Amino acid sequence: DVKVTQSSRYLVKRTGEKVFLECVQDMDHENMFWYRQDPGLGLRLIYFSYDVKMKEKGDIPEGYSVSREKKERFSLILESASTNQTSMYLCASSLDGGNTIYFGEGSWLTVV
Amino acid sequence: ELKVEQNPLFLSMQEGKNYTIYCNYSTTSDRLYWYRQDPGKSLESLFVLLSNGAVKQEGRLMASLDTKARLSTLHITAAVHDLSATYFCAVVSPTGNQFYFGTGTSLTVIP
Repeated sequence: DVKVTQSSRYLVKRTGEKVFLECVQDMDHENMFWYRQDPGLGLRLIYFSYDVKMKEKGDIPEGYSVSREKKERFSLILESASTNQTSMYLCASSLDGGNTIYFGEGSWLTVV
Repeated sequence: ELKVEQNPLFLSMQEGKNYTIYCNYSTTSDRLYWYRQDPGKSLESLFVLLSNGAVKQEGRLMASLDTKARLSTLHITAAVHDLSATYFCAVVSPTGNQFYFGTGTSLTVIP
């Protein structure tokens, strides 16, 4: 079974803090994704990566950056957290040309 | 940008009834996915539809795909409370490395 692991399930951070959300997948998938999910807005793509050290902006990249130094790990970084970044963050991975995308359990971030 | 629309957004139905959720998408895609999400949980894959006319069934759920109409349906037969969840459809981009999700349909099955 594919496993996508998000190390932090629940975080509370202060405005202006730097926040790291880590994601690891164990199936050698090329593609990895970060989404945020907000009520009424569905899933919105923040960034994705199709290879090590490669990244592409999604629909809402502002205020975020990402890092993919190793194939299995994809990190989402909030350089200076703001209250409007309070949300549930979902990491996902897929094989290139694969037929599904697998999600982690989600990270609930509250910025106060 | 590929757009995916689901309707209805909210669905309240009685146990034992049938209903259909619709998913329309804006440009050509050769793969469509259905996911289920329980409150506070992540997304779980239900179906992958890979070709025009594809139909897949699992229990009380049946999904179909019409690529010419750019439409997929998720049909619920004789609903039970355990089916209460949010259902998302998603399509893959022509490049094959981006997934676009609908806004979800929140289903509540009432006893």
